[in-house]
Amino acid sequence: AQRVTQPEKLLSVFKGAPVELKCNYSYSGSPELFWYVQYSRQRLQLLLRHISRESIKGFTADLNKGETSFHLKKPFAQEEDSAMYYCALIHGRETSGSRLTFGEGTQLTVNP
Amino acid sequence: NAGVTQTPKFRILKIGQSMTLQCAQDMNHNYMYWYRQDPGMGLKLIYYSVGAGITDKGEVPNGYNVSRSTTEDFPLRLELAAPSQTSVYFCASSPRDLYNEQFFGPGTRLTVL
Repeated sequence: AQRVTQPEKLLSVFKGAPVELKCNYSYSGSPELFWYVQYSRQRLQLLLRHISRESIKGFTADLNKGETSFHLKKPFAQEEDSAMYYCALIHGRETSGSRLTFGEGTQLTVNP
Repeated sequence: NAGVTQTPKFRILKIGQSMTLQCAQDMNHNYMYWYRQDPGMGLKLIYYSVGAGITDKGEVPNGYNVSRSTTEDFPLRLELAAPSQTSVYFCASSPRDLYNEQFFGPGTRLTVL
């Protein structure tokens, strides 16, 4: 069965410092991964998807199949990056319909 | 477009009561989902639908029922509410393929006492 693990529930860094939010997955198929973000008092929203190989708000994430990881990185954290971050894995596409499995989430706090 | 809307925002139920959480989207999305979010547990999929008239169970369907009579609406029914169903419930929708973005509603905070 598929599984997504985010080992850090809480992560605190100072403004301008690099930040890395860890995500590991377990899946027998070809993995397709996303990062979703929930800012305070806002809806959960897509941050980036690995298939697009994009950088959003300075964040990047590289899929490492050997280490089964999809860590989210930003070289210089900003206070507005403070939020809850969720890693998510697509599965079920070939059978009963695509759905996401989410990790437990990491609450990032960027201190001034 | 309103996107994904959910009602009510908050609700307190007594044990054994029933209620329906409403979800609607105006983006003509085929896929719709119900999640529950417990503290420190991430989002767990309750039920999902790939189109009108088609629903399927997710990870944690027990105690819930859904229907999808139209593309727009995807209500979640709680029968015989239990304290274990205290949670924040999110509805989401996406276009045909999940390579596209999944859009979330604002959530319903439910407490069962």
